[in-house]
Formats: sequence, structure tokens, C-alpha cells
Amino acid sequence: EAQVTQNPRYLITVTGKKLTVTCSQNMNHEYMSWYRQDPGLGLRQIYYSMNVEVTDKGDVPEGYKVSRKEKRNFPLILESPSPNQTSLYFCASRTRAGGPYEQYFGPGTRLTVT
Amino acid sequence: GIQVEQSPPDLILQEGANSTLRCNFSDSVNNLQWFHQNPWGQLINLFYIPSGTKQNGRLSATTVATERYSLLYISSSQTTDSGVYFCAVPYSGNTPLVFGKGTRLSVIA
Repeated sequence: EAQVTQNPRYLITVTGKKLTVTCSQNMNHEYMSWYRQDPGLGLRQIYYSMNVEVTDKGDVPEGYKVSRKEKRNFPLILESPSPNQTSLYFCASRTRAGGPYEQYFGPGTRLTVT
Repeated sequence: GIQVEQSPPDLILQEGANSTLRCNFSDSVNNLQWFHQNPWGQLINLFYIPSGTKQNGRLSATTVATERYSLLYISSSQTTDSGVYFCAVPYSGNTPLVFGKGTRLSVIA
């Protein structure tokens, strides 16, 4: 089954404790991205990657890191989480060249930073 | 950047009623998607519809790209249709999606 998976689905952590949210897709998509969703602010892009070893900032990259060492994986790293990073996070992927450009989303990760 | 506006922001329906949700966007696009976010927070792909009309069961969507709008039709609504409906378009070309603020639908039995 074609899908985007994220882990963990739920995470409660404390300020300053480094964490990684994993994202993996099995559709051989070149393009992957991370979004966060907050009440009243909607979904906003954090980082995206056009292909392996190519990443770029989205609208709200501060406090986050990403890496793209393999085509299928695109982990989101919070080096020193803070309470304002409490949010619902989504990973997404799609093909890059030739279309269709339908984007597929993972199930989401609910992160709480206390 | 491109602007995406959805209407209405909130909608309450009796089970069995029909509804039309609208998405306006400010620039030409080569991609438009409709999503349903269920009460558990999951984003479900409904339609990938840069132009034309598609149907999937009780749901259908139409995008008129030249006039920069898309419509999502829900017929014979059910309580399981409740949630938030988003449309999304790319900034341009291959860039990430920009989401509208959504339409929150509540279907009452």
C-alpha cells in the first residue's frame, strides 16, 4: 500500500530534550516536506526537500533541522524543543517531475513540549 | 504569494442534506487538492483536481482554473463527513502547498 508513515504519532517531552520525528514514504517520491498545524494559523511549511541531499526552508524553519540522506526518509529534528513548538506535525511527499503533483500526507504527530 | 480563500468558514447540516464548499485562489495553478481532516486530525486526500470535474461516491469536485475557483460538493451528508475541509494549491510550480483556512462542517443526525 502506497503511504507516508510518521513516528511517533504522539509525543510528550520536556523543554530542551532533543527529539526526532521520522518520516518515510514508499512511493519513490523525490519531493518531501514538513508542515505544522496550529489553531488559528492553519498549516504552514517548515522545510522541504526536492531530492536527496537537497533541502530548503519553508515559512517557519526556526528551531528545526532536517536531513535527506535517502530518498524514502525525511526526519524532522528538534535540537532543543520549546513549548511554542507544541503542535500537530505532518510529513508529505509527491513526485517531482512529470506529474501528477498530488501530495500525500502522513497521519500526523502530536507533539507537546512542557 | 498566492492567496487561498475558502467559504463558508463554518457549516452545520442536517444528515441527508447537500452542501457546496468554495475555494478561491489568487493566481493560476497547476495543482489543486481537496482534503478532509477528520476529528482525529488525519488529513485525507479527497481530490487532486487542477481542472475539470471528478466524482467519488457522494463527493464531487469541480475546478475552473481560468476563473480561479474550485467547488466541493457533498451530497446526502452523513455524520462521518464532519470535520474540516481544506483546499490547497502550490505557491508556484514545484513549491509546497498553501492551504486555505478550511471549512468546518458539522453534520447532525
